[in-house]
Order: sequence, then C-alpha cells, then structure tokens
Amino acid sequence: GAVVSQHPSWVICKSGTSVKIECRSLDFQATTMFWYRQFPKQSLMLMATSNEGSKATYEQGVEKDKFLINHASLTLSTLTVTSAHPEDSSFYICSADGLAARGGETQYFGPGTRLLVL
Amino acid sequence: GQSLEQPSEVTAVEGAIVQINCTYQTSGFYGLSWYQQHDGGAPTFLSYNALDGLEETGRFSSFLSRSDSYGYLLLQELQMKDSASYFCARKVGDDKIIFGKGTRLHILP
Repeated sequence: GAVVSQHPSWVICKSGTSVKIECRSLDFQATTMFWYRQFPKQSLMLMATSNEGSKATYEQGVEKDKFLINHASLTLSTLTVTSAHPEDSSFYICSADGLAARGGETQYFGPGTRLLVL
Repeated sequence: GQSLEQPSEVTAVEGAIVQINCTYQTSGFYGLSWYQQHDGGAPTFLSYNALDGLEETGRFSSFLSRSDSYGYLLLQELQMKDSASYFCARKVGDDKIIFGKGTRLHILP
C-alpha cells in the first residue's frame, strides 16, 4: 500500500516549451501532495504544497507562474514547468500525505521525474 | 529557524558501524525522520523519532535527544549497498517536510 507514481520518469525538451509532470497516489487518497526539486548532489528543496480543490502554496522564491500546480482530484496532482529553460533541468519529486504507517511514515514519495531542458 | 545540520560526507569500511549525526533548531519541532537516497532514485523512508530514545529497525537504528536538539542514524554491519545519501528531515507546519543537506556515505571494501 501507499504507492505514489510519477509520469514521465524522464523528459527531454527544448528551451521555451512547457512540460507537465503527473503525480498519482495509486492506492490511497491524498488531500495534500508536495513537490520537491533536487539539483545534483544537493538536498530536496520543497517547491510547493498542493491541496486538492484549492490553490497551491508556494515556498519563498518559487515562481508560481512558472511552476503551475493543479490538484484536480484526491489522487492526482500535476506540475507544469512553463517556458522551461536549461536552468530548470533538475530532478522533480512529488510526495503524498497518507495515513501513518508502521514506523511513523506519513509522506510517501514518488520515483521522481528527471527533466533535461536543451 | 527550522534548519537541520548534518555532515556532508562520511566514510566507513564494509562490515563496520557508522553514525550520522543531525542537529536541528527547536522552533516548531515535532520529530526527526531519516531517509536514504541512492543516486538517481527517490528518497526512501528509514525511521522516525518523535520521542527521546532509540528506534531499531534491523541494521539501522535512529536516536533522538530533544533536550540536546540532536539525533543520529546508526548503520551496523555496513554493506556496499548502503552507499547512498542519508537525509535527516523534520515536519513543519501543514505537514511539510524540510530536509537537511544530506550526508554522503562512502563505504570502502
């Protein structure tokens, strides 16, 4: 249980195009999902909190018009990187809030999406 | 603040024991989590400590001292597959998770 998927797993695009990444909770409902970005050899940086049926909450320094988040249902959140540029190349990871599992885990991570902008 | 501090790199020998420390700022602290991340992969949950003391899960143990604002991850009987980055993390308001900068564990044969 508590599986989160992401699609696509990797994407290469030209500079200026937009890329949509999907995050799905497969066997549970998640009212809250989170989007992270990770540059090589760095930590995961929280970009935004995605709430089902309402606007996302962005962390300081994250451009909400560039990183569009839509949480249309209890099992799906999407992140769209608009007008992508090479500096947006990164590893994007989502997580979903679920019921506490044995050991105290409450956030379940997707496998990540690697974005390369040429 | 709500930041976490951990060493950037640790090196140990296969079969040995290694401890990765994490200190945190106390503002709004609920508990400390540990995650493992192999190159190219997503983080994998290892453990969570909300109360003082030691939590053991197989070869991995995690410890928390709230009075010292300090915790550690202990890895025993190190295997080559344990080579990875290890992140301490904490929850903040609205269940967000903030990660430390990560500790890269190098294991020598």
